[in-house]
Amino acid sequence: GQNIDQPTEMTATEGAIVQINCTYQTSGFNGLFWYQQHAGEAPTFLSYNVLDGLEEKGRFSSFLSRSKGYSYLLLKELQMKDSASYLCAVMDSNYQLIWGAGTKLIIKP
Amino acid sequence: ETGVTQTPRHLVMGMTNKKSLKCEQHLGHNAMYWYKQSAKKPLELMFVYNFKEQTENNSVPSRFSPECPNSSHLFLHLHTLQPEDSALYLCASSQEGTGGSYEQYFGPGTRLTVT
Repeated sequence: GQNIDQPTEMTATEGAIVQINCTYQTSGFNGLFWYQQHAGEAPTFLSYNVLDGLEEKGRFSSFLSRSKGYSYLLLKELQMKDSASYLCAVMDSNYQLIWGAGTKLIIKP
Repeated sequence: ETGVTQTPRHLVMGMTNKKSLKCEQHLGHNAMYWYKQSAKKPLELMFVYNFKEQTENNSVPSRFSPECPNSSHLFLHLHTLQPEDSALYLCASSQEGTGGSYEQYFGPGTRLTVT
């Protein structure tokens, strides 16, 4: 079957760096997405990786290793507003998104 | 209006009621989706419409009935629901095919409570 694994919850301190990992096993691969979802709001797109390596976008970076079925989202200079759930999703061979359960990130002052 | 809108934002219904959820996208996309989001579970894809044609129905019970009258509007008709159907229902849209990014844009969701 298809499976996306990511930690359920993480805690970090304001101003610090946190890395949220995602491992996947899917039928085919057409890219990996990271979304941010604040409580009670819609998921919003953060990043898309289809080739191996690191994609940097401001304070957020996303890494992909297709051979290892692994990705991470790196958040730098954490701010209180970064408290949210972070969803990892993989697009399979049918171009359907397979979603992880999300990682709830708690930022402490 | 911009992006993807959904109405109502909150809905409480009894098990014998009939109600409908509405979604509208203002992005010119060609694909629309219904998802169910329950606490601490992955997003569950329910239905996919591509160019108004239903392309996916992931074994969703018949008490959920989708309707896509055009590429901008999507409905989810609900009847005789069960308490376990209580969840956040999210609508999304994307541009698929050649030149499309497949990135999905989500509406704010409808929080459904079945009593």
